[in-house]
Amino acid sequence: QSVLTQPPSASGTPGQRVTISCSGSSSNLGVNYAYWYQHLPGTAPKVLIYRNNQRPSGVPDRFSGSKSGTSASLAISGLRSEDEADYYCATWDDSLSGWVFGGGTKLTVL
Amino acid sequence: EVQLLESGGGLVQPGGSLRLSCAASGFTFTTYAMSWVRQAPGKGLEWVSTIIGSGDRTYYADSVKGRFTSSRDNSKNTLSLQMNSLRAEDTAIYYCAKHDPYCSGGRCYMGAFDIWGQGTMLIVSS
Repeated sequence: QSVLTQPPSASGTPGQRVTISCSGSSSNLGVNYAYWYQHLPGTAPKVLIYRNNQRPSGVPDRFSGSKSGTSASLAISGLRSEDEADYYCATWDDSLSGWVFGGGTKLTVL
Repeated sequence: EVQLLESGGGLVQPGGSLRLSCAASGFTFTTYAMSWVRQAPGKGLEWVSTIIGSGDRTYYADSVKGRFTSSRDNSKNTLSLQMNSLRAEDTAIYYCAKHDPYCSGGRCYMGAFDIWGQGTMLIVSS
């Protein structure tokens, strides 16, 4: 059972917009930034969004993040086949004194 | 180019020990907190441990506390994870990751896991 809750799966057709949610609590997302990672099997995870809504250089602006209260969201617009991957949210948890990840969301591009 | 290269994975019997290493290059190693994150077969990412740049402070997930020890040799740009009393549930790909720190309100924070290695596989089985 992950500290952060994500839907296990999401899907969309090319060109669509999809949103992945991440729910936490007052000790983690309620007081700390949200981070989003993309992970393709057999490769190193990659940071997509840092500090709630910032994109590293090289990450397309099709990816956007937001946070409100104890929840965060990752939105992917103009869905492409290469977006098919696992997506994880993460943050620091003040009560646990450690990093926590969501269980991951497997995105399928239909 | 910033790079992280893990090594040391392998097959270990339950109750055994193993030491993982992560060689860092392309950045001033001592400046950055470093973490270990693992992924068990068919499971999601799980944070294991973090060590700050100086090596003076470490953090551990409850699942490994008392069994795993993270350390670093800043003179050799190397991060290590000593794993003892290994269990079947420790079977996973272990990634080392660099943090991207930021400062706000007079405090500095570890920030995102911005660079990851390719991982090294640990199998705990008899």
